[in-house]
Amino acid sequence: ETGVTQTPRHLVMGMTNKKSLKCEQHLGHNAMYWYKQSAKKPLELMFVYNFKEQTENNSVPSRFSPECPNSSHLFLHLHTLQPEDSALYLCASSPRGYEQYFGPGTRLTVT
Amino acid sequence: AQKVTQAQTEISVVEKEDVTLDCVYETRDTTYYLFWYKQPPSGELVFLIRRNSFDEQNEISGRYSWNFQKSTSSFNFTITASQVVDSAVYFCALLGGGTSYGKLTFGQGTILTVHP
Repeated sequence: ETGVTQTPRHLVMGMTNKKSLKCEQHLGHNAMYWYKQSAKKPLELMFVYNFKEQTENNSVPSRFSPECPNSSHLFLHLHTLQPEDSALYLCASSPRGYEQYFGPGTRLTVT
Repeated sequence: AQKVTQAQTEISVVEKEDVTLDCVYETRDTTYYLFWYKQPPSGELVFLIRRNSFDEQNEISGRYSWNFQKSTSSFNFTITASQVVDSAVYFCALLGGGTSYGKLTFGQGTILTVHP
């Protein structure tokens, strides 16, 4: 199943910019997730949403702000990021907490 | 706390060789789930398999096979007759029981390179 889409695929932004990442799943899942994947680091869970409610915030800095308007859409709003925030941001969804299906990711570069 | 360890950071093989990727996990949960994901250069993680803690049957899917051993807390993944297209980063992951909407714990990943 490859029903999770993410836009944009690539993003370059300055430290003073504001941008948003978008994730959409077409699988009818109830849970959605944001992960950060940096070079040479394990995947880091950032946020979890169940039925549109945030159930997990893994000590993520406030410059990352998630939004889940419905079970199919998930956003990650970015502002005043730092160069160390450059990474691959992956969105995933799952049915009732089982295997998660991932999107292709957004490759973010902060200059 | 949950932990997944993939001891092999990188593996390099020649096409048609068999290769085994190791995964060792730690959890206090009696019910849990184990997964393997493949991440090709395109970046998307592709789900390969889920195994429940109460089902220790090994599984084979084409050239892929998985060996789950609760006694050693291991869930190893073997690719038989490897191909260049198998080159990717492979992640083992653990989902503890008792949580409806899972917080997956991933291993560090193993970079597999298959040379022609």
